[in-house]
Amino acid sequence: DVKVTQSSRYLVKRTGEKVFLECVQDMDHENMFWYRQDPGLGLRLIYFSYDVKMKEKGDIPEGYSVSREKKERFSLILESASTNQTSMYLCASSHGAGTQYFGPGTRLLVL
Amino acid sequence: QKEVEQDPGPLSVPEGAIVSLNCTYSNSAFQYFMWYRQYSRKGPELLMYTYSSGNKEDGRFTAQVDKSSKYISLFIRDSQPSDSATYLCAMTAPGAGNMLTFGGGTRLMVKP
Repeated sequence: DVKVTQSSRYLVKRTGEKVFLECVQDMDHENMFWYRQDPGLGLRLIYFSYDVKMKEKGDIPEGYSVSREKKERFSLILESASTNQTSMYLCASSHGAGTQYFGPGTRLLVL
Repeated sequence: QKEVEQDPGPLSVPEGAIVSLNCTYSNSAFQYFMWYRQYSRKGPELLMYTYSSGNKEDGRFTAQVDKSSKYISLFIRDSQPSDSATYLCAMTAPGAGNMLTFGGGTRLMVKP
C-alpha cells in the first residue's frame, strides 16, 4: 500500500513564525503535491513537484514556498505565517498521471 | 462557474438506504474520474477510479460515468454509519499532466 506521511497532525504557530510542513512517501512516486483545504472552498493546490528539485506553482502559491531535495520528501514552507493561513494542509503523491494518494493532513492554527 | 460542481450537503440517510452522490463538470476533456472518501480530520482516501462511460462496481459501491451529460455518480448500497464521511469527486484530462480537478465534496451522514 502507498504510504504518505506528514510530519505533524496538529500545529499551533504564532503570526510571523516560519513554518515547515514535511511530507514523505514510500512508493517512489515522482509527483508530489501540497493542497490546503478550507470549508466551502474545497481542495486548492498550492504547489506541486514532478521531479527532484523541480516545482510548479498551483492555484494559490502566494505566501508559500516548497523544497524537494529528495524524491521521497516534499516540504512546504510558510515564510512568515499569517492568520489567514490557518487551514488543513494535505500532501499527496502520484505516479505518472495516475491517482493521487493523500497523507493524513496537518491542521495548522496560526495565532 | 466552477469546472466541477458537487452539492455540499449534508445528506442525511437512514442506515440501509441507497445513497446517490453526484458531480457535474463542464470540461469535456476530462476522461478519468475518481471518488475519494474523507473521514473527519483525516486525509482523502481513494475509493473508486474509472475512465470510461458506464458503471464500475466494487462491493457496495458503484461508480457511474455519463460523458455525454458530463455527469458522474457514486452509489452506495446498504449504507452503514461507517460510510458517514465527505465524498470528493476528482477528474483529469489526458495531457493535463498530474493535475486533478476536485469537486467541493458532499458530506454524508448515515444514521443508525
